[in-house]
Amino acid sequence: DTAVSQTPKYLVTQMGNDKSIKCEQNLGHDTMYWYKQDSKKFLKIMFSYNNKELIINETVPNRFSPKSPDKAHLNLHINSLELGDSAVYFCASSQATGRLETQYFGPGTRLLVL
Amino acid sequence: QKEVEQNSGPLSVPEGAIASLNCTYSDRVSQSFFWYRQYSGKSPELIMSIYSNGDKEDGRFTAQLNKASQYVSLLIRDSQPSDSATYLCAVTRRRDDKIIFGKGTRLHILP
Repeated sequence: DTAVSQTPKYLVTQMGNDKSIKCEQNLGHDTMYWYKQDSKKFLKIMFSYNNKELIINETVPNRFSPKSPDKAHLNLHINSLELGDSAVYFCASSQATGRLETQYFGPGTRLLVL
Repeated sequence: QKEVEQNSGPLSVPEGAIASLNCTYSDRVSQSFFWYRQYSGKSPELIMSIYSNGDKEDGRFTAQLNKASQYVSLLIRDSQPSDSATYLCAVTRRRDDKIIFGKGTRLHILP
């Protein structure tokens, strides 16, 4: 009964490669998010989509491109990977946007760029 | 000033005692406040949410909010070793409803 799932769980790759991370939620939520948690455990929002539309786009290099084919899926593609991209990437979802909404997190994807 | 600030710890508390975790925020008009718990190698999970001044209790957990002083705290009564984790304070920014996380406080319950 996985609520928010991500694939892959681990990703080890070389600098310069292109990779994708997939996220799916079966909670019927309208809003999905991508967060990056660095080695110091700081959790920072990258993108947010509501009903397949981009609503939050933080100051993230344009090598990062999210795509939402439907409201249950939000994928993250990263071009030309750099060492500094190594982190844990969490997908999350909430019922809707708004300040009262609880976010439910996926298990995370641990990305290591060599 | 950082938007959400927490002492990174580690905070060591004997088993059975009360653990007190604090968080301050800079956006005076924020209205939603959350505490998430994150075990090592796991994803954050919601412990408490609070929207009004005062205390909100849920089992061994009590969230306290003081909007005038711009701080929110989490008390854990009868601390257990299983409470050892990093606790993330999160605040929703009024102007864009974006949730801002603090860096977290590592809590260690000593058996």
